[in-house]
Amino acid sequence: EAGVTQFPSHSVIEKGQTVTLRCDPISGHDNLYWYRRVMGKEIKFLLHFVKESKQDESGMPNNRFLAERTGGTYSTLKVQPAELEDSGVYFCASSQDGSRANVLTFGAGSRLTVL
Amino acid sequence: AQSVTQPDIHITVSEGASLELRCNYSYGATPYLFWYVQSPGQGLQLLLKYFSGDTLVQGIKGFEAEFKRSQSSFNLRKPSVHWSDAAEYFCAMTTDSWGKLQFGAGTQVVVTP
Repeated sequence: EAGVTQFPSHSVIEKGQTVTLRCDPISGHDNLYWYRRVMGKEIKFLLHFVKESKQDESGMPNNRFLAERTGGTYSTLKVQPAELEDSGVYFCASSQDGSRANVLTFGAGSRLTVL
Repeated sequence: AQSVTQPDIHITVSEGASLELRCNYSYGATPYLFWYVQSPGQGLQLLLKYFSGDTLVQGIKGFEAEFKRSQSSFNLRKPSVHWSDAAEYFCAMTTDSWGKLQFGAGTQVVVTP
């Protein structure tokens, strides 16, 4: 079984530019999560999809971030325009069920560097 | 406020020595608790989890963790570390019905020969 795949693994962009991160969850996993780790800080929740719907987007920092999950399969996270403080590692995770006891499988992360 | 605290940012341990990583949580009830590990270039891998029942939980790679309600702790242990255990370790909890994780800041483990 293929795991959670994220790309790019690393992206370096200038402040003001746009970046799109992609996540392919494990096939059949309806639940998809985005998390972010800013340098030196905790890994923090961004949002949660159930199929193509946003179940919880309480962690999205501002309206420069746009997440989509077309058709309930892969997801993209776009940052436009990027700011310096957006630098960090963006993790995607998926799970089969969305209960409190569900176990998330994480991808390797996409490192974003904004110069 | 709900929180997860890992007091040790960085730990150095000799190969073959025992390892204990501390985790404390703040929550009004018993949360679901997890330990994840991230090796260089890898994603977060689940080591073990605690939902209820036996407070001593066995995980993968020879790790175990003990839940202590009285201390609001969930410390991770390994009796004898291997060089491959060098990684960053994260304690996490979930309190909502959808399994949203709240992480501690992580503990970086360095293993010396």
